[in-house]
Amino acid sequence: DAKTTQPNSMESNEEEPVHLPCNHSTISGTDYIHWYRQLPSQGPEYVIHGLTSNVNNRMASLAIAEDRKSSTLILHRATLRDAAVYYCILRPYNQGGKLIFGQGTELSVKP
Amino acid sequence: DAGVTQSPTHLIKTRGQQVTLRCSPKSGHDTVSWYQQALGQGPQFIFQYYEEEERQRGNFPDRFSGHQFPNYSSELNVNALLLGDSALYLCASSLEVLAGGSSTDTQYFGPGTRLTVL
Repeated sequence: DAKTTQPNSMESNEEEPVHLPCNHSTISGTDYIHWYRQLPSQGPEYVIHGLTSNVNNRMASLAIAEDRKSSTLILHRATLRDAAVYYCILRPYNQGGKLIFGQGTELSVKP
Repeated sequence: DAGVTQSPTHLIKTRGQQVTLRCSPKSGHDTVSWYQQALGQGPQFIFQYYEEEERQRGNFPDRFSGHQFPNYSSELNVNALLLGDSALYLCASSLEVLAGGSSTDTQYFGPGTRLTVL
């Protein structure tokens, strides 16, 4: 399974943008990039996913490098409710189902 | 629309005992996956059930077994409990899109069952 590398922790101020990086230098051409987050005392929840192009949804944006060896999850205006552990996950096209979680990035948001 | 539900919320067992955890998937979902999350770690994939059969399995011993019922609900059984089995057990459901699973399907997680083995 291809590996991802994320910073252990990051801090942000409320209502400011947050850029959460993820390195995946061994990504293959058919690996999708997924992001999940886990709020305190809850199960993980889906945030966004993409393959090559940048993606936007109501929760966040995903910026994927041209060589696909890295990606960045962007929260446009962090709120206190965004404090969570954010996981960057690669999912091979032909191996649906399981999610391989790493350590993730613990995001804290200061008021 | 109820999301993924799990029972019980918390459970305390002693070494050597057996435990059964239960999961009801999100309405309309037919695939259930189980994960183990030790304190301070990311969730680890245990196995996935689809059409009442185990389709994928992670690196867990045979002490971990499961079942899926015709209504898509699922059970996780752990035999001969060890202290190291203490963890949060998460259930996730999804909708099968392509044969063999889709790399783009969204998994919806329940709140988990906290198992403590003494």
